[in-house]
Amino acid sequence: EVQVVESGGGLVQPGGSLRLSCAASGFIFSSYEMHWVRQAPGKGLEWVAYISSSGSTRYYADSVKGRFTISRDNAKNSLYLQMNSLRAEDTAVYYCARESGDGYNFDYWGQGTLVTVSS
Amino acid sequence: QSALTQPASVSGSPGQSISISCTGTSSDVGGYNYVSWYQQYPGKAPKLLIYDVSKRPSGVSYRFSGSKSGNTASLTISGLQAEDEADYYCCSYGRSNFYVFGTGTKVTVV
Repeated sequence: EVQVVESGGGLVQPGGSLRLSCAASGFIFSSYEMHWVRQAPGKGLEWVAYISSSGSTRYYADSVKGRFTISRDNAKNSLYLQMNSLRAEDTAVYYCARESGDGYNFDYWGQGTLVTVSS
Repeated sequence: QSALTQPASVSGSPGQSISISCTGTSSDVGGYNYVSWYQQYPGKAPKLLIYDVSKRPSGVSYRFSGSKSGNTASLTISGLQAEDEADYYCCSYGRSNFYVFGTGTKVTVV
């Protein structure tokens, strides 16, 4: 069974840092592109970042470019999101999502981890 | 990066058909056949319903269908059921913003 499980969320002060993790199982992790998608409380979904299956290519939403870094460790079947210079508007549930083998859609999602940026 | 435009809410009676629109630009919805749709219940993760405009993943009910005309994509739910009450989001691959989601639509079964 395909599973992706996020962890690492919590309360952090503005300007602080946090690292999210996503543990994958039930599929060949190294063969799939992965994404982070977030959802602010009561708001819609926002795509955050993408990483290719090898980790060599990465893309970011303008709202996080220069502050967030997506990475992966295929040996550990894990995806990461390093978040620096956090702002109140980064408060959201962060989802790890697998891009399907067909491409251009997200076929499996984790349950999400809540990040709250507040003093 | 502007979100794709969806109606905030759509309602229908059991058994009816409803459609949700998703309007973008020629740089995203209109430029690629890579529109997907997701269903989300409160407090839960999104679930893929439709991909590549009109394809249904295995296990998704035939009552869900997708289409596109120009810069606007649509999700149709036929034979509306109480369990269809949820939030629905479209998403498109785009030239300039990689992926962009819609603003979301709350479906109410009255």
